[in-house]
Amino acid sequence: EPEVTQTPSHQVTQMGQEVILRCVPISNHLYFYWYRQILGQKVEFLVSFYNNEISEKSEIFDDQFSVERPDGSNFTLKIRSTKLEDSAMYFCASRKRGLYNEQFFGPGTRLTVL
Amino acid sequence: AQSVTQLDSQVPVFEEAPVELRCNYSSSVSVYLFWYVQYPNQGLQLLLKYLSGSTLVKGINGFEAEFNKSQTSFHLRKPSVHISDTAEYFCAVSEGEGGSEKLVFGKGTKLTVNP
Repeated sequence: EPEVTQTPSHQVTQMGQEVILRCVPISNHLYFYWYRQILGQKVEFLVSFYNNEISEKSEIFDDQFSVERPDGSNFTLKIRSTKLEDSAMYFCASRKRGLYNEQFFGPGTRLTVL
Repeated sequence: AQSVTQLDSQVPVFEEAPVELRCNYSSSVSVYLFWYVQYPNQGLQLLLKYLSGSTLVKGINGFEAEFNKSQTSFHLRKPSVHISDTAEYFCAVSEGEGGSEKLVFGKGTKLTVNP
């Protein structure tokens, strides 16, 4: 069964460094999302992406964040200058076109900022 | 803006006992409702969803949920749990047709099924 994959599973970085989190959505899906979960808190929406542009973003998704679909398979989240408070589990999700279809989630990348 | 409250952070039960995981939401617009499950070291998997129609929704693994608009609730139930149901369960809401598709999640309920 096709699934969303994410790499790496765990990323450790120093404060101020740039990180890129990678996701490979399911191949026939057209809508892509990033969510994050800070330890002990709720899963929070960051951004949705369709047709090579951001369709919606949250207040969290400030200028330090960007998303890209550099080729036909990958979907990336970049954090330009990481802060301690960016430490969280980051989930990628995708869905296919339809009235309302399920968002399929990846296993997540745990980002630790030191 | 929407919000979701999961009243229980942890629920321990014995195997073969029934379980109910509670979820309440608030929204000023019509909503779609979801329950996701997360097993250790895995992503979120959809258990069931309510979009419209019958308020009793059946999902995978024997779970079901009932949408109660007057009480703004969407509680998850299973009549007899298994050890393998041990996981974290998340209730989520999104706006209805034509609205934002972002999912707003509750904090999750850790279900532990003991032998």
